[in-house]
Amino acid sequence: KAGVTQTPRYLIKTRGQQVTLSCSPISGHRSVSWYQQTPGQGLQFLFEYFSETQRNKGNFPGRFSGRQFSNSRSEMNVSTLELGDSALYLCASWIGLSNTEAFFGQGTRLTVV
Amino acid sequence: AQSVAQPEDQVNVAEGNPLTVKCTYSVSGNPYLFWYVQYPNRGLQFLLKYITGDNLVKGSYGFEAEFNKSQTSFHLKKPSALVSDSALYFCAVRGPNAGNMLTFGGGTRLMVKP
Repeated sequence: KAGVTQTPRYLIKTRGQQVTLSCSPISGHRSVSWYQQTPGQGLQFLFEYFSETQRNKGNFPGRFSGRQFSNSRSEMNVSTLELGDSALYLCASWIGLSNTEAFFGQGTRLTVV
Repeated sequence: AQSVAQPEDQVNVAEGNPLTVKCTYSVSGNPYLFWYVQYPNRGLQFLLKYITGDNLVKGSYGFEAEFNKSQTSFHLKKPSALVSDSALYFCAVRGPNAGNMLTFGGGTRLMVKP
């Protein structure tokens, strides 16, 4: 059974640009959540989607957005990139709204220069 | 609001000795608690979870954790540490009304010396 797939694995962007990251959850999983990991702030929740609906959103500026498609794949977009957006972005896949654990992808390492 | 504290940035232990990585949490209602491990340049790997039931939870790679409601703690333990256990460990909590939103502790780096 394939795991959570995040693409691309590494990305270098320039300040002011925008970026789109992709996450394909485990087959049959309907919920996806995104996290930002930085050395200074640790792991912070960005947003959560279930059946194409955003259920929760973390405390991030509006430059961070996301969506989920009917096949459960999810994308997150960051516009007007800032140096501080450099981070490892992790996607988590959940089977649904149940008492199970999240399965994480290997992440996308975004570097903003 | 929900929160997690991992009071130790780093834990050092000799191979073969028991290890404990501490975690305390704050959440409204009954918590769902998790431990994850992260190796360099990798995502998070699930170790174990507490949802309900027995306070002692057994997980992957010989790890276990004890849920203590009165102390709001969920410490990770292993009877005999291996050098390969050296990694970054995260405790996480999910409140009963928080959907699939996890709140993580700051992480504890475990160093196991041969």
